[in-house]
Amino acid sequence: EVQLFESGGGLVQPGGSLRLSCAASGFSFNIYAMSWVRQAPGKGLEWVSSISASGGSTYYADSVKGRFTISRDNSKNTLYMQMNSLTAEDTAIYYCAKEANQLIAPFDYWGQGTLVTVSS
Amino acid sequence: DIQMTQSPSSLSASVGDRVTITCRASQSIRRYLHWYQQKPGKAPKLLIYAASSLQRGVPSRFSGSGSGTDFTLTISSLQREDFATYYCQQSYSSPQEYSFGQGTKLEIK
Repeated sequence: EVQLFESGGGLVQPGGSLRLSCAASGFSFNIYAMSWVRQAPGKGLEWVSSISASGGSTYYADSVKGRFTISRDNSKNTLYMQMNSLTAEDTAIYYCAKEANQLIAPFDYWGQGTLVTVSS
Repeated sequence: DIQMTQSPSSLSASVGDRVTITCRASQSIRRYLHWYQQKPGKAPKLLIYAASSLQRGVPSRFSGSGSGTDFTLTISSLQREDFATYYCQQSYSSPQEYSFGQGTKLEIK
């Protein structure tokens, strides 16, 4: 059974940093691209960042480019997101999502999410 | 950037109704379109991928159609457990960009 479990969320002050983790199990983590998607309170879904299966290629939404860094450790089956220079607009539930391994690829599995609150 | 626009933003319907939600892309995305269902406090769940393929385990009352810029999600006979928010998402511009529609909240009439 595919499982994704996010952790690392919490309350942080504006300008602060936080590192999210997503522990994966039930599939061959090292052959799938992974992504982070966030959802501000009461709002819709926003793609944040993606990383290739090897970790060699990374992609970011303009809203987080230069502040967030996605990475992965395939030996630990874990996805990460380092978030720096946080602002109130980054307050959201952060989901990690697995990308299906096919030409037209959706996010076929999602974690339960971890809440990040940026506030003084 | 590819913009995704869903309509309506909210919808009231009754159990047993046939419901259609529309998603329009700002440019052609061929069939790179997926639909998700999200219930309060839960993660999104994949329903339909590649515009019309039903994800394993999803009831057959859900169906998708369309290509290019216009897509629909249809629920043939609403069940109580279908009341949720639905999102479309494009992966045509992946991996550089993915974008979601703003969501359609389906409520009980």
